[in-house]
Amino acid sequence: QVQLQESGPGLVKPSETLSLTCAVSGYSISSGYYWGWIRQPPGKGLEWIGSIYHSGSTYYNPSLKSRVTISVDTSKNQFSLKLSSVTAADTAVYYCARGYSGYDLGWFDPWGQGTLVTVSS
Amino acid sequence: SSELTQDPAVSVALGQTVRITCQGDSLRSYYASWYQQKPGQAPVLVIYGKNNRPSGIPDRFSGSSSGNTASLTITGAQAEDEADYYCNSRDSSGNHHVVFGGGTKLTVL
Repeated sequence: QVQLQESGPGLVKPSETLSLTCAVSGYSISSGYYWGWIRQPPGKGLEWIGSIYHSGSTYYNPSLKSRVTISVDTSKNQFSLKLSSVTAADTAVYYCARGYSGYDLGWFDPWGQGTLVTVSS
Repeated sequence: SSELTQDPAVSVALGQTVRITCQGDSLRSYYASWYQQKPGQAPVLVIYGKNNRPSGIPDRFSGSSSGNTASLTITGAQAEDEADYYCNSRDSSGNHHVVFGGGTKLTVL
């Protein structure tokens, strides 16, 4: 079955760039769907960060757009997130997920287990 | 951009039926999807589209929609259904942007 696994530093200093990678197994990114990043600050709800199609088309949350870059590496079957100029407000569990965006619906399934990123000096 | 609004908390007696709602303008154009999240775990998709359940999701979970409101119904709630539930949909801008509701904490009494 499809599995996703996030990886990257668990601690990032303020003003630096957060970088995470999501490795996908059991499904080829090149085959379709789109691939998203979602985060959840401690004790709070889910926030969509952005998504990317296998073609490379990207869609970002307007509130984060100026700081976010999502890219895909089909040769490694993985996609990545970069979030620049981080502050303590970016401390969260970061999830990657496979997504579908159709004519009248959208969903994410499955999700990675999530990785906690703390922004602190 | 658009927003989805959920009640922060809902409770249900064991074995009874509970409805969790999600309101937002985007729901007039797009179906909601629903996720269950238990403490320390990643969200799990339980309902998508008009009323579709992924493989492995019990049939006590169902979805419906009317106007700007989507609902997740659990018929015969079980202790293991106690969790946070989030709705999401495409936003009303017409592109592939996504919005999540704030989540509903379901307590099974």
